[in-house]
Amino acid sequence: KQEVTQIPAALSVPEGENLVLNCSFTDSAIYNLQWFRQDPGKGLTSLLLIQSSQREQTSGRLNASLDKSSGRSTLYIAASQPGDSATYLCAVYNYGQNFVFGPGTRLSVLP
Amino acid sequence: GAGVSQSPSNKVTEKGKDVELRCDPISGHTALYWYRQSLGQGLEFLIYFQGNSAPDKSGLPSDRFSAERTGGSVSTLTIQRTQQEDSAVYLCASRFGIANTEAFFGQGTRLTVV
Repeated sequence: KQEVTQIPAALSVPEGENLVLNCSFTDSAIYNLQWFRQDPGKGLTSLLLIQSSQREQTSGRLNASLDKSSGRSTLYIAASQPGDSATYLCAVYNYGQNFVFGPGTRLSVLP
Repeated sequence: GAGVSQSPSNKVTEKGKDVELRCDPISGHTALYWYRQSLGQGLEFLIYFQGNSAPDKSGLPSDRFSAERTGGSVSTLTIQRTQQEDSAVYLCASRFGIANTEAFFGQGTRLTVV
C-alpha cells in the first residue's frame, strides 16, 4: 500500500528566503507525482506534474525534482513571498489507481 | 467549462437526512475522483471513475455513501442518513486519460451535519 509523507509539517520563513519542501513515498512504481497548493477553505491548485521518466519540472519560481528510485520528491521555492503562504501537498499516482496524498506542509512566509 | 465545478459550495443538513453533491468535470476528462477532507486532516480517497470501466469504490467509508457518473461526465455523490462524522469538505477532481496528465480539483463542497 502506497504511503506518502511530507517534511516538515509546518514551516515559517521570512520573505525572500529560498526553501525546500520534501515528499517521500514508499512504493517507487509510481506513474507520476503532482504538487498542489491549498489555500485555507479552498480547493487544490495544481502547481507541477512530474512524470516518472522526468527528473524535474520548473514553473516560474517553483522547481520540483523527482528521484523515483529513492522514493523522494522536493519542491523548491525561490525568493519566497507572503502570497506563497499556503499548504503544499504532494500526491503520487500509480497507474490505473487513485492519487495518494501526503499530509501537507503548512508554509507561512512572513513579510 | 474552464474548470471543475462543484455544487453546492456549502451544505448544512440535519442528521439523518440524505444529501447529494454534484461535480461537473472538465469537458473531455475521462477520469473523475472524489476525495474527502475532514477539518485539519489530509485528503481521503472515496471513489474513482475511469471512462466506462467499473468504478473503484474501495475508499467509500460505508454503504451510506454511493456515487454515480452519468454519460461519462457529471458525477453525483450521495450520502444517505447523514451523520455528524460526515461533516467535511468533499473535493472532486478530473483528469484526461489514465496516464501522465494533470489532475484538476474543484473548490469543494463544505458539508456540515447538525
